[in-house]
Amino acid sequence: DAEITQSPRHKITETGRQVTLACHQTWNHNNMFWYRQDLGHGLRLIHYSYGVQDTNKGEVSDGYSVSRSNTEDLPLTLESAASSQTSVYFCASSERPGQETQYFGPGTRLLVL
Amino acid sequence: DQQVKQNSPSLSVQEGRISILNCDYTNSMFDYFLWYKKYPAEGPTFLISISSIKDKNEDGRFTVFLNKSAKHLSLHIVPSQPGDSAVYFCAASGRGSNYKLTFGKGTLLTVNP
Repeated sequence: DAEITQSPRHKITETGRQVTLACHQTWNHNNMFWYRQDLGHGLRLIHYSYGVQDTNKGEVSDGYSVSRSNTEDLPLTLESAASSQTSVYFCASSERPGQETQYFGPGTRLLVL
Repeated sequence: DQQVKQNSPSLSVQEGRISILNCDYTNSMFDYFLWYKKYPAEGPTFLISISSIKDKNEDGRFTVFLNKSAKHLSLHIVPSQPGDSAVYFCAASGRGSNYKLTFGKGTLLTVNP
């Protein structure tokens, strides 16, 4: 069955380190998204991509970057981890332009000490 | 400025009764609305959606109502079951949003046996 996976599921890192969170989908979806979930804020969009080589900033993109070299993967990089980036991160994908329904991965819980 | 608002952080309901979760939006460009359900330690899962050309959409025990003039939508769950206990997120997208979703902060539903 097609799915979307995230790794690692849990990560502890130190302030200032570079961290990369992986997202892999086998739906062959063009659109991929990264969100963070924090108490009191719901889901907030970090970055998104509509296809290979395409990346766009979301509402909370500072300190994060993404790259899209193939259809299946959209890794999220924290350039220099900060305690404010302690959060749960979700990757999502959607099938095609005009298809707003997004399908989410299981999440990565990141703790920055 | 929060464009999608879920003003009730939590709701408690008896098993078998109706659960009503509410969502308000401020952006008149939104024309597609979705509800997601999230269990702890899992990613959000798509539940039901509605287009602005409709005022009601039903799927089994779940019905979403849309009142465009009031910029209000609600999710009805009848009858409620203990397995429905989860966080429910309202989301919206529309013209000019390029398929991005804007999420509310979520409502924690607890269904008591």
